[in-house]
Amino acid sequence: GNSVTQMEGPVTLSEEAFLTINCTYTATGYPSLFWYVQYPGEGLQLLLKATKADDKGSNKGFEATYRKETTSFHLEKGSVQVSDSAVYFCALSDQGNTDKLIFGTGTRLQVFP
Amino acid sequence: DGGITQSPKYLFRKEGQNVTLSCEQNLNHDAMYWYRQDPGQGLRLIYYSQIVNDFQKGDIAEGYSVSREKKESFPLTVTSAQKNPTAFYLCASNGDRLNLNTEAFFGQGTRLTVV
Repeated sequence: GNSVTQMEGPVTLSEEAFLTINCTYTATGYPSLFWYVQYPGEGLQLLLKATKADDKGSNKGFEATYRKETTSFHLEKGSVQVSDSAVYFCALSDQGNTDKLIFGTGTRLQVFP
Repeated sequence: DGGITQSPKYLFRKEGQNVTLSCEQNLNHDAMYWYRQDPGQGLRLIYYSQIVNDFQKGDIAEGYSVSREKKESFPLTVTSAQKNPTAFYLCASNGDRLNLNTEAFFGQGTRLTVV
């Protein structure tokens, strides 16, 4: 079945460091891919998305490129801030094949000044 | 403004009681979902619904029930059969059943505690 695998956290960085959170997926169709962010005590918010191969999603300095050849959608940011501390979820939806959203287990990011 | 609203934000339940969590959306979305999140863990799907009057079990449906009598509403009942109900519950909705590639919108969550 379809699945999403994320790197385990927590990821601990100093402010202005480079961030990568790995995400790989398994899907039989042609899914759309998403990154969501969850701040403490809140629901999830969409951070960025990509709907087809080679698309790059970007928002708030974060980027992720849909790589069909490696079935990956890694999240990157060039210079993290303390305010980026949160839990990040990779997810997919697979139109026409499965009828539910599938999330990774989440990766906690902690940024220290 | 359009969005998805969960209530209450905090809920306390005595052992043996059923409780119902509310989820309402005014986004005209067909699909709605309930997830459970435990501390330090990811999201686990409880139930989902693609259309009014229809819903399917997710990965951890035991001890829960839902209804979808209106497009806007997808309440979740945590029954006394759920042995470990203390968790953070998230409701989400997205697009329509012909286009699930749209982003999901989440409510702010309900934190349920058994006392």
